[in-house]
Amino acid sequence: KAGVTQTPRYLIKTRGQQVTLSCSPISGHRSVSWYQQTPGQGLQFLFEYFSETQRNKGNFPGRFSGRQFSNSRSEMNVSTLELGDSALYLCASSPGLAVYNEQFFGPGTRLTVL
Amino acid sequence: GEDVEQSLFLSVREGDSSVINCTYTDSSSTYLYWYKQEPGAGLQLLTYIFSNMDMKQDQRLTVLLNKKDKHLSLRIADTQTGDSAIYFCAESRHGGATNKLIFGTGTLLAVQP
Repeated sequence: KAGVTQTPRYLIKTRGQQVTLSCSPISGHRSVSWYQQTPGQGLQFLFEYFSETQRNKGNFPGRFSGRQFSNSRSEMNVSTLELGDSALYLCASSPGLAVYNEQFFGPGTRLTVL
Repeated sequence: GEDVEQSLFLSVREGDSSVINCTYTDSSSTYLYWYKQEPGAGLQLLTYIFSNMDMKQDQRLTVLLNKKDKHLSLRIADTQTGDSAIYFCAESRHGGATNKLIFGTGTLLAVQP
């Protein structure tokens, strides 16, 4: 079974631009979560989706948005990029939402904002 | 707050045991996890423990949970150079169906040959 894939793996943008990152979950998984990883703030939860609905959102500005499609693939968008948005963006997939669900992480997209 | 604390760095010799510590914040946390991150890679789930357990052993890994002190530890027996990585503890909190994890600050484990 293929793992979680994220595209692109690396991205360089300039301040003010916008970016879209993609995540394809493991086949059959219906939940996708997104995390931002930076040296200063560590791993922070962005949002999670289940059955095309955003179920939970972290403490990030409205410039960060996402969506999930009917095939469970998810995209996240960051508008008006700032230098501080430079980070590794990780997505995780799991079968559903539950008290315990093993989450499988993708390799991440490394975003650099110049 | 939501801070989950870990020591930043641990250095051990190959063959020794490693103990990585974590202090979490929410006593209502249901599951606690240990993840491993190798350079350039995502997160790999190593093991987890349910909050009503004190200890869990999984091959070379032993997880100890002290709920009173909100302290979690991961012991790696017979540490190998391939264990060199960043280790994160994470907690999932009660309150509805969610996969949201609160991660610790991460501990860099360096294994000397």
